[in-house]
Amino acid sequence: RKEVEQDPGPFNVPEGATVAFNCTYSNSASQSFFWYRQDCRKEPKLLMSVYSSGNEDGRFTAQLNRASQYISLLIRDSKLSDSATYLCVVNLGYGNKLVFGAGTILRVKS
Amino acid sequence: DGGITQSPKYLFRKEGQNVTLSCEQNLNHDAMYWYRQDPGQGLRLIYYSQIVNDFQKGDIAEGYSVSREKKESFPLTVTSAQKNPTAFYLCASRGLAETDTQYFGPGTRLTVL
Repeated sequence: RKEVEQDPGPFNVPEGATVAFNCTYSNSASQSFFWYRQDCRKEPKLLMSVYSSGNEDGRFTAQLNRASQYISLLIRDSKLSDSATYLCVVNLGYGNKLVFGAGTILRVKS
Repeated sequence: DGGITQSPKYLFRKEGQNVTLSCEQNLNHDAMYWYRQDPGQGLRLIYYSQIVNDFQKGDIAEGYSVSREKKESFPLTVTSAQKNPTAFYLCASRGLAETDTQYFGPGTRLTVL
């Protein structure tokens, strides 16, 4: 089983739609979680950290479910500019290494 | 400006040649990382370092070497032993706290002809 798994997509959605991605992780000792965004042929950039209580940043909401070992990202009112690959990232809690999922492709169309 | 720089952005090399990719950061981060990304794939960890003069192998270290002589610098050498070196190489850095954000450089796209 992979340490971090994501549905690769692509998710093709119209502008204004709400879309959600899930990501599962295998190590129950994992302590910190992040969502990164990567545009085509560019470096990944932090979108948001994921806190135990869940957190929201504008149109983006991240949630953590420790019992089921998954994190989620919800995007409301999708914009064309949201089209990108979204990477789920987990700190396994040892070696200070982050493990990256392979990413979920989102395409927002007008 | 604070950040991570990688050079060059694009690099072409002939098969059998060693090549060194540069990574410099002025964020005062202790930890630095090298990843490789192939088309349509996730990031794979090559090497990482949490302190000067020390580094550890990641998941795909074969055919690569690194050094960490200064806190700010973590160059990666792609040797001729790396069987399939053409890829997008990303350098990253972060602090040592578990919740610290990891920042990436703009990447170097290496093509071996």
